[in-house]
Amino acid sequence: AQSVTQPDIHITVSEGASLELRCNYSYGATPYLFWYVQSPGQGLQLLLKYFSGDTLVQGIKGFEAEFKRSQSSFNLRKPSVHWSDAAEYFCAVRYNQGGKLIFGQGTELSVKP
Amino acid sequence: DAGITQSPRHKVTETGTPVTLRCHQTENHRYMYWYRQDPGHGLRLIHYSYGVKDTDKGEVSDGYSVSRSKTEDFLLTLESATSSQTSVYFCAISESGEAGLSYNEQFFGPGTRLTVL
Repeated sequence: AQSVTQPDIHITVSEGASLELRCNYSYGATPYLFWYVQSPGQGLQLLLKYFSGDTLVQGIKGFEAEFKRSQSSFNLRKPSVHWSDAAEYFCAVRYNQGGKLIFGQGTELSVKP
Repeated sequence: DAGITQSPRHKVTETGTPVTLRCHQTENHRYMYWYRQDPGHGLRLIHYSYGVKDTDKGEVSDGYSVSRSKTEDFLLTLESATSSQTSVYFCAISESGEAGLSYNEQFFGPGTRLTVL
C-alpha cells in the first residue's frame, strides 16, 4: 500500500540551530509531495509543494525541501529555527487523480531557548 | 486564508447519538474532503466529494456518511457515535483533484474537536 513515513515523532532543536525533518514515501508513479505545518489548536497550513522541475523547492517561513527520487525522500529543512516554528509538521503525498492525500504520522518540533 | 469554516468547533456527545459536522466554503471549489486526526496516525481520509451529490469513500469511512447538496456545504454524519470516533475532524477543499496541477493543493479548515463519552 502507498504510504508516507516520518521516522521522527518528536524533535527538539535549539533556537538558531538548523533543522531537517525527514519524510519517505513508498515507491510509486511520480509523486506530488507536500509539507504542512499545524500550530496547536489550528488547522494545517501548506508550507511548500513539489510537482515537477527543480528538486529543491522553497516555501513560506524560510523553509525548503529537496526531492530525491533515488531515496524516495522529501526532507524539510530550515537553516535557522525560530521559537515560533514550534509546531507539528506533516508530510503528504498524492499519486493519482481524485485529490486524495496520504499523510505521514507527523513530527512534533520543540524549540528550546 | 481560504474561506473554510467548520461547525461546531467543539462538541461532546454520548455513545449512540447521531452527530453532524458541517463544513462550509466560500471559494466555490469543486473538491471537498473530511479527515480525522488522531495521535500517531496523522490525518486519514474519511470521505470526499468531487461535486454536488458526488461522493466517495476514503480509507476510514466505516461509521460515517456524507452529503453534499450544495457546492459550498459538505456534511459529515456519525449515525450512531462511538467512543472510537473521538477525534479532531478537519475539512479540506481543493479546486481540482487532478494530479499534477498546481491549483489542486488542499486548504484546511480550523477543525472540530469531537468527544464521544
